[in-house]
Amino acid sequence: AQSVAQPEDQVNVAEGNPLTVKCTYSVSGNPYLFWYVQYPNRGLQFLLKYITGDNLVKGSYGFEAEFNKSQTSFHLKKPSALVSDSALYFCAVRDPASGNTGKLIFGQGTTLQVKP
Amino acid sequence: DGGITQSPKYLFRKEGQNVTLSCEQNLNHDAMYWYRQDPGQGLRLIYYSQIVNDFQKGDIAEGYSVSREKKESFPLTVTSAQKNPTAFYLCASSPSGWDVTKNIQYFGAGTRLSVL
Repeated sequence: AQSVAQPEDQVNVAEGNPLTVKCTYSVSGNPYLFWYVQYPNRGLQFLLKYITGDNLVKGSYGFEAEFNKSQTSFHLKKPSALVSDSALYFCAVRDPASGNTGKLIFGQGTTLQVKP
Repeated sequence: DGGITQSPKYLFRKEGQNVTLSCEQNLNHDAMYWYRQDPGQGLRLIYYSQIVNDFQKGDIAEGYSVSREKKESFPLTVTSAQKNPTAFYLCASSPSGWDVTKNIQYFGAGTRLSVL
């Protein structure tokens, strides 16, 4: 079955330190991967995507993600965390089993807490 | 959240009542989606629509209904058959469900539904 896993419910990091939010996936065929961020009581905002090409993808607000096919991972990273980065982060993969519907499968979400 | 408007922001449902959540987009997107968000469970797809007058069930469609009479509108009705409707509901749209390079989903701010 197609799935996305975010193994950490919460990640805590000090402001100025690098951060990593982990994501692993299990899909058949080529994975099309996405990261979204959600602030309290708001909708999700798109951060970045991997479709093909360079394994290191750069996105909004200084975030980047590294696609690793052998480890089936797509971890979100940022060199220097800000308090304002504190939010709920979702990894998602396009469901190949749904044909061309654009359906996404979301992970459970990881809460990022950046402390001053 | 720009371009996708969900209303109301908060909604209360009485026992046996049907309620309708509104979702309007002015992005000229073809595809629209409804998700349900529960704590610790990520987003689950309720219904989606790739074009006007066409829609498909997602993973948890039971107790819900939709219509897509206009490109910009995709209302969700939570029927009395949905026994556990308390959740945060998110509407999204994307330029195309078919084209993976255009498959970024843009989200509204959400509607929080509670049962009285």
